[in-house]
Amino acid sequence: QQPVQSPQAVILREGEDAVINCSSSKALYSVHWYRQKHGEAPVFLMILLKGGEQKGHDKISASFNEKKQQSSLYLTASQLSYSGTYFCGTVNSGGYQKVTFGTGTKLQVIP
Amino acid sequence: NAGVTQTPKFQVLKTGQSMTLQCAQDMNHEYMSWYRQDPGMGLRLIHYSVGAGITDQGEVPNGYNVSRSTTEDFPLRLLSAAPSQTSVYFCASSRSSGGSASAPQYFGPGTRLLVL
Repeated sequence: QQPVQSPQAVILREGEDAVINCSSSKALYSVHWYRQKHGEAPVFLMILLKGGEQKGHDKISASFNEKKQQSSLYLTASQLSYSGTYFCGTVNSGGYQKVTFGTGTKLQVIP
Repeated sequence: NAGVTQTPKFQVLKTGQSMTLQCAQDMNHEYMSWYRQDPGMGLRLIHYSVGAGITDQGEVPNGYNVSRSTTEDFPLRLLSAAPSQTSVYFCASSRSSGGSASAPQYFGPGTRLLVL
């Protein structure tokens, strides 16, 4: 079952912040975040393992609340280059690695 | 390193035809996977492999076959193409092994398939 992402789409002006949420109905081992620009392949951003850690990547960071089976991606002081579709991928606890992706959040940053 | 390569980049098929989408990686990754991407549906897992000789089904395996005879290659076969299989297909690989689920996936450039 695919994780649920929200919002489905968001438009920001340069410098504004955004939060993208990802939730699952199953116990999670890890959450992966990827960004895809139009016509290109998805590109890895970060992985969060169970343990409630928060990771950062330049001005993009994420948190993982394993008890709530939720993860959030934080984009701070957005830049034009942040535009694209963001996907969360979840790996359920137990079994082999099988990353199930959400339907994506389309982010557009305008000047 | 070439990373993950996919061929062809674009293909048009007629209903009922069969074909194989090729995927290769030169990073010695154990884990490889196939996804299809349709508008509004995100990336849906078709099949995946945790090593040579080991494959398993994902969310949408019907109509597709895979095999993994080497670490480098993971071809996806469409048995009898249908218009519902029109999509963009991505192959990905990861150094994850033994179900560690802690390594990033590297995606190939994709294959655009149109079934008429």
